[in-house]
Amino acid sequence: DVKVTQSSRYLVKRTGEKVFLECVQDMDHENMFWYRQDPGLGLRLIYFSYDVKMKEKGDIPEGYSVSREKKERFSLILESASTNQTSMYLCASVGRGRVWEQFFGPGTRLTVL
Amino acid sequence: LAKTTQPISMDSYEGQEVNITCSHNNIATNDYITWYQQFPSQGPRFIIQGYKTKVTNEVASLFIPADRKSSTLSLPRVSLSDTAVYYCLVALNQAGTALIFGKGTTLSVSS
Repeated sequence: DVKVTQSSRYLVKRTGEKVFLECVQDMDHENMFWYRQDPGLGLRLIYFSYDVKMKEKGDIPEGYSVSREKKERFSLILESASTNQTSMYLCASVGRGRVWEQFFGPGTRLTVL
Repeated sequence: LAKTTQPISMDSYEGQEVNITCSHNNIATNDYITWYQQFPSQGPRFIIQGYKTKVTNEVASLFIPADRKSSTLSLPRVSLSDTAVYYCLVALNQAGTALIFGKGTTLSVSS
C-alpha cells in the first residue's frame, strides 16, 4: 500500500523559531510537493521537487525553503516562523507524468504562537 | 485557467445516492476532470478521473457530458463514512506541475 508520512501531526512553535517539517514517501516517486491548507483558501502550493536536489517555487514560497537530499524525503523549512504561517501543511508525491493522481500525507497542523 | 463551481455543502442520509455536480465552463481540451475526497484531519485522496462520457470504479462514478462543461460525481448508497469534502479539479497551475484545489463540497451523511 502506498504511503506518505509526515513527521508530526501537531506542532506548536513560537514566533521566530526555525521549523522543520519532514515528509517521506515509499513509492519511489520523482515528484514531491508541499501545500498549505487554510479555511476558505483551499490548498496552495508552496514548493515542489521533481528530483533529488531539485526544487521549484510554487504559488506562495515566501517565508519557506525546502530540501531534498534523498528521493524519498522532502523537507519544508520555516526559517523564522510567524503567526501567519499557522496552518495545515500537506505533503504529496506522485510519479513522473501522473501529476493528477497525487498521494497525500496526513498533514501537520502547525500553530505558531 | 479553468475555474470550477460546485455546491458548498450537501446533506444526505445513509443508503441514498448522492450526486455532486461541478461546472467548468472553460475547461481546456487537454484537461482531465479529477475528483478528490478529504476526510477531517487527513490529506486529500484521489478517487476518480475522467476525460469524457462515464467512468466507474469501486468508489464512485463520474459522468461527463459531451461538451465537458460540467461533470457529476455519483456516490452510490452513501454511508456515514462518506462524510467528507469532495473537490472537483480541472486544471493544473501555470507550470503544469501542481493541482489547483477549490473550496470543495462538504457532504454530510446522517443516519
